[in-house]
Parts: sequence; C-alpha cells; structure tokens
Amino acid sequence: SAVISQKPSRDICQRGTSLTIQCQVDSQVTMMFWYRQQPGQSLTLIATANQGSEATYESGFVIDKFPISRPNLTFSTLTVSNMSPEDSSIYLCSGGTNYEQYFGPGTRLTVT
Amino acid sequence: AQSVTQLDSQVPVFEEAPVELRCNYSSSVSVYLFWYVQYPNQGLQLLLKYLSGSTLVKGINGFEAEFNKSQTSFHLRKPSVHISDTAEYFCAVSGPHNQGGKLIFGQGTELSVKP
Repeated sequence: SAVISQKPSRDICQRGTSLTIQCQVDSQVTMMFWYRQQPGQSLTLIATANQGSEATYESGFVIDKFPISRPNLTFSTLTVSNMSPEDSSIYLCSGGTNYEQYFGPGTRLTVT
Repeated sequence: AQSVTQLDSQVPVFEEAPVELRCNYSSSVSVYLFWYVQYPNQGLQLLLKYLSGSTLVKGINGFEAEFNKSQTSFHLRKPSVHISDTAEYFCAVSGPHNQGGKLIFGQGTELSVKP
C-alpha cells in the first residue's frame, strides 16, 4: 500500500490568484492522478501526472488553468491558476498501480 | 468509453440491517472494478476491488461485492451495518486499456445508518 499526503489541507483564496497543491507519496508509484470533487458531487479526473514529462489532461481541463508537475516517482504538484469561485472544490491526488490507487486526504479550496 | 452508474443517491437504513448499494458499469472491454468509501471531510479509502477470478470479492469492514458480467453490475453488500458505516460510497471502473489506474467514478451513494 501507499500513504499519500497533501498540502495544504485547506485554503481560502481570492479571485484571480493561484494556489499550488503538493502531493507526496511514501513510496514510488508508477501512476499519479489529480481529481476534482465539486461540492456534493463525485470525483472527476483532471489529469494524469507523468513523471518527467507533460501531464495528460482530460477533456475540459487545460494546462494553462491546471499546470501539473511530477519531477519524480513520489511527488507531484497541481496549480489552480487565475482562480474563480467556480474553482471551489476538493482537489485529490492519487497514486498507485494499474490495479490499485490510493488517495490523499484532499485539499479543500474556497475561492472568494 | 467506460461509465459507471450508481442507482441510488441516498440509502437510509437502520443499524444492524443488511444493505446493498447498487452499481452498474458500461464498457466494451474487460474492466477492473472498485468500491471506495469517503467519510466526512476525509479522502477515499479502498473497500474492495475486482480484477479477475472469483466473482465474489470480500473487502474491509465486512463489506463484499459480486461481479456480474452478464448484468454488468458490481453491487456492494453488508449483512449488518453499524452507525460508523455512515459515509459516501463510490463505485469506480478502470481497465487494462485505460491508461493504467485511471478511475472513472459513479455519482456516489450516501449511506445513512440510523439507530
């Protein structure tokens, strides 16, 4: 198994600013992903964080809005850029293999 | 494309009663199936998974699920629930052709266990 931590756990940000969320895994994992969970809803995949290369984004998500880095097999960051109130969500990262994904506790973002 | 439908958005049940949370999936290829639980203000915890083999899968906290390929279902069951089982439950699918571990989630089922 893998233990995943995220920082910050929550934040309140002003419209137009950016926030970078960190995701740390306690062991090397092949795959890492970023998800968004809007209030009262399910999880939607934002992108696959690829180690050493550009992330792969899902339909509806773009690199300019959600730049992602993954410098090694245990760490990734997601930046939410030029935020608006519609970006208020929980952002979760996951890491693991093709057969099992472990999730971080999430970052609760509120944009005012 | 793959998709997941959880047939009940809310399931209220009394303590010690049995419960079934329903999940149907759609896929043209073989899939891996998962159930996750999310307690209030927490991340997701894996309850159980089906990759291959026996269609009856046992997980943590007394939960089990049965994979039914003909009905494309993966329903979650527990014979006797506790107050502490109150949480949001998510069914998810991925597959060998789905870029390794990328999960597609259902809409979630809120299980509310009452005393």
